[in-house]
Amino acid sequence: KAGVTQTPRYLIKTRGQQVTLSCSPISGHRSVSWYQQTPGQGLQFLFEYFSETQRNKGNFPGRFSGRQFSNSRSEMNVSTLELGDSALYLCASSLGVAGGWNEQFFGPGTRLTVL
Amino acid sequence: DQQVKQNSPSLSVQEGRISILNCDYTNSMFDYFLWYKKYPAEGPTFLISISSIKDKNEDGRFTVFLNKSAKHLSLHIVPSQPGDSAVYFCAALGMEYGNKLVFGAGTILRVKS
Repeated sequence: KAGVTQTPRYLIKTRGQQVTLSCSPISGHRSVSWYQQTPGQGLQFLFEYFSETQRNKGNFPGRFSGRQFSNSRSEMNVSTLELGDSALYLCASSLGVAGGWNEQFFGPGTRLTVL
Repeated sequence: DQQVKQNSPSLSVQEGRISILNCDYTNSMFDYFLWYKKYPAEGPTFLISISSIKDKNEDGRFTVFLNKSAKHLSLHIVPSQPGDSAVYFCAALGMEYGNKLVFGAGTILRVKS
């Protein structure tokens, strides 16, 4: 079956602009999580959506937001971009069953560069 | 605060030898520990995991060891192959925190042929 897809793969924006990234999970997966990867910081958890509801949230400012649609596709939005937002943004999908570990499958990421 | 730490940014190993990647954590509430492998321009892929109630899990050439008292885990790759060259991330998961993975900063492994 098809894996996790993310669009666009690359994006260049300038400071102050906003950006929307998209993630299509594996068919049948209801949970989508977003992570930010920067050099030396590993992957930092942004948020998780399950059945169109935000179920978990990391320690990022309110400029970072997301949503999930009824078909489980998810978008994340970053407003008022800052240079430090330049990163690889990864989304991961899983079945999202509560009470146990669900393997998370990652997409290839969107490389965002803020100039 | 970094709850999961990988103190070695890089490791270089000869083909056929053992690669040992280390990871330390601070939160005793973590229930699972996972290793992910990442190639450039690809997302991380799951490699192997271990539950906090076990001290060893093996899958082919990959073995993960967990020392709960020391809050330390390690990934052993034997024998190492050039195709193993990638960034390896250690991650932890706590049921209390839902599906949120807490990652270390990663270790770049280079296997020389």
